[in-house]
Amino acid sequence: AQSVTQLDSHVSVSEGTPVLLRCNYSSSYSPSLFWYVQHPNKGLQLLLKYTSAATLVKGINGFEAEFKKSETSFHLTKPSAHMSDAAEYFCVVRMSGNQFYFGTGTSLTVIP
Amino acid sequence: NAGVTQTPKFQVLKTGQSMTLQCAQDMNHEYMSWYRQDPGMGLRLIHYSVGAGITDQGEVPNGYNVSRSTTEDFPLRLLSAAPSQTSVYFCASSYSLGHSPLHFGNGTRLTVT
Repeated sequence: AQSVTQLDSHVSVSEGTPVLLRCNYSSSYSPSLFWYVQHPNKGLQLLLKYTSAATLVKGINGFEAEFKKSETSFHLTKPSAHMSDAAEYFCVVRMSGNQFYFGTGTSLTVIP
Repeated sequence: NAGVTQTPKFQVLKTGQSMTLQCAQDMNHEYMSWYRQDPGMGLRLIHYSVGAGITDQGEVPNGYNVSRSTTEDFPLRLLSAAPSQTSVYFCASSYSLGHSPLHFGNGTRLTVT
């Protein structure tokens, strides 16, 4: 079976503190992994992607993610949260061919 | 570069009416898809296409039709709208090969009364 699990449906952090959004996947293949952000009433914007190059991937707006094959994880981090980071975040895995699997999303709240 | 363009942005239908949600991309992507997003259910795949003339069903295809006559366009048709189809609809496209991400449109918010 192939799936994506976002371990937290909701995360709250204070402004200026680190952000950690967790994603685990199961796959028989070497997948491509993506994080998307969705602000309220907006579409999904690509934050970053892992495509079998460097395991630490840098994205937009200061976000990073580390691919750990042994743990089948692709957690999203940011050293210091901003108010503008409040949004829904989706972990997406692309298996072989055209199969995309979505996590159920993590809602990030940033407390001033 | 326009990317993925969806129209309309908002639509209100009465039960039983039909309509077409438009999706166009200018990136020469082979793969195009439609998702619906409902609270607490994430994104669910409705239909997808891997090239002109080729379409297939996703997870929730009932009540929807698609066609792919050109590489650029992938319209989604609601044949007889039902309140259960009230949702936000997203079109997304990608290259078929390699590790390309999905590129999303800005969505269509549909309300069926």
